[in-house]
Amino acid sequence: GAVVSQHPSWVICKSGTSVKIECRSLDFQATTMFWYRQFPKQSLMLMATSNEGSKATYEQGVEKDKFLINHASLTLSTLTVTSAHPEDSSFYICSAGGTANQPQHFGDGTRLSIL
Amino acid sequence: GENVEQHPSTLSVQEGDSAVIKCTYSDSASNYFPWYKQELGKRPQLIIDIRSNVGEKKDQRIAVTLNKTAKHFSLHITETQPEDSAVYFCAASINGNQFYFGTGTSLTVIP
Repeated sequence: GAVVSQHPSWVICKSGTSVKIECRSLDFQATTMFWYRQFPKQSLMLMATSNEGSKATYEQGVEKDKFLINHASLTLSTLTVTSAHPEDSSFYICSAGGTANQPQHFGDGTRLSIL
Repeated sequence: GENVEQHPSTLSVQEGDSAVIKCTYSDSASNYFPWYKQELGKRPQLIIDIRSNVGEKKDQRIAVTLNKTAKHFSLHITETQPEDSAVYFCAASINGNQFYFGTGTSLTVIP
């Protein structure tokens, strides 16, 4: 079945560091990928829609300059948390689906801890 | 944008009993409604989904119903087992463009 790979699974870094998270669709092409943020015991909050070959669409309240998204190919989207601070610590998950109205397949998520 | 509400936030049932989780959505254009199960520290896993042209769908012990007029949909789990314990999320989407999730229901099945 379809698999979405997310890397890294866990990262700890100092405040002020920029962190890049990769999301890959392994056996299908994804023109659209989604990035979510999840706080402990809370729901998945959609941050942005990553569109291959064009700019990402950000949800209201999400800083585009803070969370840079690049979708350079049909199998790879990256989320870069720039100048990360402790409040950015969270669980970030990406998802992708091959075509419209299809189930989303989630990556394993990235646990980001900013010291 | 779409607003999805989910109830209850926590649910405890005895093994063998049924569990029902309800969600409402605000955007009448939403036409795809998946349900996900998430175990602690793991990715959400799709368990069942329903499209707006269908009122009910069943897969073994799991069923989902959709009322488009009232804009609500529900997950039904029958003959619950301890391994059903997890957090369940509903979601709503328009043609797969952006998925908006409910707040989650933590289900505990008591042996």
